Amino acid sequence: GAGVSQSPRYKVAKRGQDVALRCDPISGHVSLFWYQQALGQGPEFLTYFQNEAQLDKSGLPSDRFFAERPEGSVSTLKIQRTQQEDSAVYLCASGSGGRGTNEKLFFGSGTQLSVL
Amino acid sequence: DAKTTQPNSMESNEEEPVHLPCNHSTISGTDYIHWYRQLPSQGPEYVIHGLTSNVNNRMASLAIAEDRKSSTLILHRATLRDAAVYYCILRDGYTDKLIFGTGTRLQVFP
Repeated sequence: GAGVSQSPRYKVAKRGQDVALRCDPISGHVSLFWYQQALGQGPEFLTYFQNEAQLDKSGLPSDRFFAERPEGSVSTLKIQRTQQEDSAVYLCASGSGGRGTNEKLFFGSGTQLSVL
Repeated sequence: DAKTTQPNSMESNEEEPVHLPCNHSTISGTDYIHWYRQLPSQGPEYVIHGLTSNVNNRMASLAIAEDRKSSTLILHRATLRDAAVYYCILRDGYTDKLIFGTGTRLQVFP
């Protein structure tokens, strides 16, 4: 595809359920970021991958959040035992260069997660 | 993480120039200044970035103060499609993280 693709576009979960959010980055992109955006706020950094290596997970809010990118392309963000405060838009971004290249990032349209 | 300060909102009329200011007094020598914008229900979109010198591209211009403690994004002729939240971001040259603030919501009137 031409851009970063995220699925599902919308997800409704009952409190306590596990969810998995998928990100398909632009083909060949080395860097992949996950962000969380609460209503009316700017995106907040969650985690960063360079190829399959997770180089920074300092933004993950708790051990209920887990991200992986096993083959260095598609990435999945998993949230276990969802809570109402997890309700937000989850954004994925990819970039062509690795760490320190300062290239522009391309964002997907996000997955809007609502936890009831 | 380095921080930026932007006005919460600004208004413009269509086809007029728009100057969006940003203060970043704690910028370090390796931080790049990035601008992204976000339209409703979409992910952020790259606009422009620079280090020390002014930059121009097809979307906008970026004017960077000599001491690098402030910058201004310039849209030369605003259109209705430019209505969005504009984020000024200091990007750490090592970690590559984009640290977003709350941005400036730009309204454009016909």
